[in-house]
Amino acid sequence: DVKVTQSSRYLVKRTGEKVFLECVQDMDHENMFWYRQDPGLGLRLIYFSYDVKMKEKGDIPEGYSVSREKKERFSLILESASTNQTSMYLCASSRWTGVGSPLHFGNGTRLTVT
Amino acid sequence: EDQVTQSPEALRLQEGESSSLNCSYTVSGLRGLFWYRQDPGKGPEFLFTLYSAGEEKEKERLKATLTKKESFLHITAPKPEDSATYLCAAFVGSNYKLTFGKGTLLTVNP
Repeated sequence: DVKVTQSSRYLVKRTGEKVFLECVQDMDHENMFWYRQDPGLGLRLIYFSYDVKMKEKGDIPEGYSVSREKKERFSLILESASTNQTSMYLCASSRWTGVGSPLHFGNGTRLTVT
Repeated sequence: EDQVTQSPEALRLQEGESSSLNCSYTVSGLRGLFWYRQDPGKGPEFLFTLYSAGEEKEKERLKATLTKKESFLHITAPKPEDSATYLCAAFVGSNYKLTFGKGTLLTVNP
C-alpha cells in the first residue's frame, strides 16, 4: 500500500511566521501535490511537482512556495502566514503522469494561523 | 471553465436504504472520472476511475457509472460504516489537472 505521510496533524502558528509543511511518500512516485481543503470550496491545487526540483503552479499558488529536493519528499512553505491560510492541507502523490494513475493522499495537516 | 458539481450536498439514509449520489461535469476533454471516499480527519481514499461513457465499476456495496454528462455512485443496502464524504473529480486534458467537486456527505443511520 502507498503511504503518504504528513509530518504534523495539527499546527498553530502566528501571523507573519514562516511555516513548513512536510510530506513524504514511500512508493517512488513521480508526482507529488499540495492541496488545501476548505468547507464550501472543496479541494484546490496549490502546487505540484513532476520530478525532483521541478514544480508547477496550481490554481491558488499565491502566498505559497514549494521545495522538492528528493523524490520522496515535498515541502509546502508559507513565507509569511496569514489568517486566510488557516485550512486543511493535503499532500498527495501519483505514480506517473496520466489519467491511469490516481492520487494517493496523506491524512492532512490542519493549520490554524492566529 | 471546467466545473464538477455534486448533489446532494448531504444525504441521510437508513441502514439498508439504497440510493445514488450524482456528479455532473462540464469539462472539455474528459479523460477520466475519479471517485474518492473521505472519512472525518483523514485524506481522501481512492475508490474508482471511469474512463468512458457506459463504463461501470463495483466495489462491495458501491457501483459507479459514467455517462457523457454525469457519473453516479450507487450505494446498495448501505451500512453505517459507509458514512463518509464522497468526492468526485474530473481529469481533463493536461497531465495533472484534477477538478474536484465539493462532495456529498453521506450519513447512514443504524
